[in-house]
Amino acid sequence: EPEVTQTPSHQVTQMGQEVILRCVPISNHLYFYWYRQILGQKVEFLVSFYNNEISEKSEIFDDQFSVERPDGSNFTLKIRSTKLEDSAMYFCASSEGSYNEQFFGPGTRLTVL
Amino acid sequence: SQQGEEDPQALSIQEGENATMNCSYKTSINNLQWYRQNSGRGLVHLILIRSNEREKHSGRLRVTLDTSKKSSSLLITASRAADTASYFCATDDSNYQLIWGAGTKLIIKP
Repeated sequence: EPEVTQTPSHQVTQMGQEVILRCVPISNHLYFYWYRQILGQKVEFLVSFYNNEISEKSEIFDDQFSVERPDGSNFTLKIRSTKLEDSAMYFCASSEGSYNEQFFGPGTRLTVL
Repeated sequence: SQQGEEDPQALSIQEGENATMNCSYKTSINNLQWYRQNSGRGLVHLILIRSNEREKHSGRLRVTLDTSKKSSSLLITASRAADTASYFCATDDSNYQLIWGAGTKLIIKP
């Protein structure tokens, strides 16, 4: 069964460093998303991506964040200069259509020291 | 505003019993989705119910949607120890993003 994959599973970085989180969405899906979940808190929407551009982004997704689909399979989230409060689980998701089920990857746990 | 608020926050039942979790939301939706998350793990999609549907089944799962009350319920019948997890409802808005509740932590006691 096709699934969304994410790498790495755990990333530890120093405050101020750049990180890139990688995702491989399900191959025939057209919509891609990033969410995050701070430990013990709700899942929060960050950004949605369709047709090689951002469809929607939340207030969390400020200038420190960017997304890219560098090739036909990867979907990346870059945090330019990490802050302590960026420590969270980051989930990538994909869906066939805009109002279809979103399937999630296993997440990347980002720890900023 | 917050969408998808689940209740109860925590539910502990005996194996074999049915578990019912509720979700309320505030604004109009296109669909509502239920997800499961095992501790510290990923989000597993369970069911999507569209705004023009009232009930949906998948195996031991039954989801209802009442758009007049802006609420949904997830029923797990004949619960098993493996059902122990947190359950979240998530609603979409007009901009594709899912808005999540805080979840119900379900514990199934053997």
